[in-house]
Amino acid sequence: QSALTQPASVSGSPGQSITVSCTGASSDVGGYNYVSWYQQHPGKAPKLMIYEVSYRPSGVPDRFSASKSGNTASLTISGLQAEDEADYYCSSYTGSNTWVFGGGTKLTVL
Amino acid sequence: EVHLLESGGGLVQPGGSLRLSCAASGFTFSSYAMSWVRQAPGKGLEWVSGISGSGGRTYYAASVKGRFTISRDNSKNTLYLQMNSLRVEDTAVYYCAKGTKETGTNTYDYWGQGTLVTVSS
Repeated sequence: QSALTQPASVSGSPGQSITVSCTGASSDVGGYNYVSWYQQHPGKAPKLMIYEVSYRPSGVPDRFSASKSGNTASLTISGLQAEDEADYYCSSYTGSNTWVFGGGTKLTVL
Repeated sequence: EVHLLESGGGLVQPGGSLRLSCAASGFTFSSYAMSWVRQAPGKGLEWVSGISGSGGRTYYAASVKGRFTISRDNSKNTLYLQMNSLRVEDTAVYYCAKGTKETGTNTYDYWGQGTLVTVSS
């Protein structure tokens, strides 16, 4: 199973919006509504930000939103804040109780 | 509060073995599937293995199938990963992650802090 494709880096200024894409195939992203997004600060554990394509767990700010179209999922962060600077990973169910992750995107808040 | 604490990492030679543990608290451990996810230095996340809440069903990534064995002891609220025939490319931080259902999951909602496994001669 090949990793999902994410841009290596994105950047934005405080208050702006950014979007991170996550491209897979019909066997993963396109085939299931089980796409999640995780935030990871350096040296820390991943934190769930989005599940089932567009749902936010309790406690995640509504500045974080996500969607999916075909084989590509997207995470949007609006009103960028300094603490949003981190690595972001998408993941997708691939069937038979297995999962695949993206290569990760480093978000820099300028 | 959910808490996951991994242990057992360390330095091992290629071809060697290591057993990782993940002690869980703050939830009914047997009611949830669990998984191991790893992250090589400076790299992305890679799903490694998963197990149902009862322990009756296990799943593996192709890269570790036949070498790694996932298991759990629900009486001790502990998840394990037995790693045999270790390779240099298995070097990574290994995280345990909690699923959201007993069998299968729609996401991983809690993660431990990870334990580092280094395979080197």
